[in-house]
Amino acid sequence: QQQVKQSPQSLIVQKGGISIINCAYENTAFDYFPWYQQFPGKGPALLIAIRPDVSEKKEGRFTISFNKSAKQFSLHIMDSQPGDSATYFCAPNSNYQLIWGAGTKLIIKP
Amino acid sequence: NAGVMQNPRHLVRRRGQEARLRCSPMKGHSHVYWYRQLPEEGLKFMVYLQKENIIDESGMPKERFSAEFPKEGPSILRIQQVVRGDSAAYFCASSPYEAQETQYFGPGTRLLVL
Repeated sequence: QQQVKQSPQSLIVQKGGISIINCAYENTAFDYFPWYQQFPGKGPALLIAIRPDVSEKKEGRFTISFNKSAKQFSLHIMDSQPGDSATYFCAPNSNYQLIWGAGTKLIIKP
Repeated sequence: NAGVMQNPRHLVRRRGQEARLRCSPMKGHSHVYWYRQLPEEGLKFMVYLQKENIIDESGMPKERFSAEFPKEGPSILRIQQVVRGDSAAYFCASSPYEAQETQYFGPGTRLLVL
């Protein structure tokens, strides 16, 4: 059975701090590792994604770190801003069927 | 360049009625996916469609639920004889043929069954 475990369930970070969200998976066939951001009442939006041939990818303030041997990947948000307050989901997959974590509710305190 | 469009955004039905949810994919996308999300949970895959074809409906309940993506017009998710447990947010996503793992989501339809 495919399983994806996301942690923490919720996170409070001061403005300007670093937010870190983790995702652990079991299926070694996964070859695409995205993070989605969802605001209340909206659909998920693709934030950043990585393939397993690299260990890190950075896009602006967002970085994915990927550890293939540990079967984990994480999202780092540098200089966190109140506008980053949202729910974040990891959704690794090997084809069209995204397997979603339970989500992390991030609150950035001003 | 319009994104994925869904309507209605909110739908209220009484038990036993039918619910019809519509999804228009992004321009140039030929693949549509439907997901269901319960409060405080991640999304759950329901069905994957291409034009006039159901590719994978393994996540869809066997009864009362059906989906289609006709040659012309939007994709439709149909729930017959709704029950309270069907209350959820239903999201549609689309992707281009060459990148099925890169899915773009619509704003969702929030179904409330009274």
